[in-house]
Amino acid sequence: GENVEQHPSTLSVQEGDSAVIKCTYSDSASNYFPWYKQELGKGPQLIIDIRSNVGEKKDQRIAVTLNKTAKHFSLHITETQPEDSAVYFCAASIRDNDMRFGAGTRLTVKP
Amino acid sequence: DGGITQSPKYLFRKEGQNVTLSCEQNLNHDAMYWYRQDPGQGLRLIYYSQIVNDFQKGDIAEGYSVSREKKESFPLTVTSAQKNPTAFYLCASRPGNTGELFFGEGSRLTVL
Repeated sequence: GENVEQHPSTLSVQEGDSAVIKCTYSDSASNYFPWYKQELGKGPQLIIDIRSNVGEKKDQRIAVTLNKTAKHFSLHITETQPEDSAVYFCAASIRDNDMRFGAGTRLTVKP
Repeated sequence: DGGITQSPKYLFRKEGQNVTLSCEQNLNHDAMYWYRQDPGQGLRLIYYSQIVNDFQKGDIAEGYSVSREKKESFPLTVTSAQKNPTAFYLCASRPGNTGELFFGEGSRLTVL
């Protein structure tokens, strides 16, 4: 089945800097790649997603890129703010119930 | 407001006891899911249900049971057969079989 690896496990940046989180997946048939943000004590919330027919997607300060050949995708956050501090999860799926999550990245944005 | 409600938020259980976690949604979603979250690990699928009166095992179903008698409700029972039940449990739903998962705020179970 699908295996998703996520790096780094922790990331600390200065406010205003950029943050990049990377994920790799194993099954070339995966076609849906969401990113979730989880704040302390809460459930994850979708922040952006991309499908395999698209190479890049942007939404204000966040963007996701997908390299199908290399089987990796990345989350980019620009102009980071303290409220971006959270745990971020990537995921990959072929079908709905095959969604596999990465282990998460704890992002800390220092003011 | 529409959303997913999980209860209780915190639960303590003695070894050997069964416990049931509640998950209710008013989003009119067909599909519902239960995930387990452990420190340093991604979310792992326990059970899912795509329609009322039907559910399927996920990757780590052993020691858990579910029911789906109503569209809005998908309770999870953690039985005494679950060897390591202390974890954060997340319920999720979505309207169809693909796309965004909507999560509840989770239930933290601690076995004493």
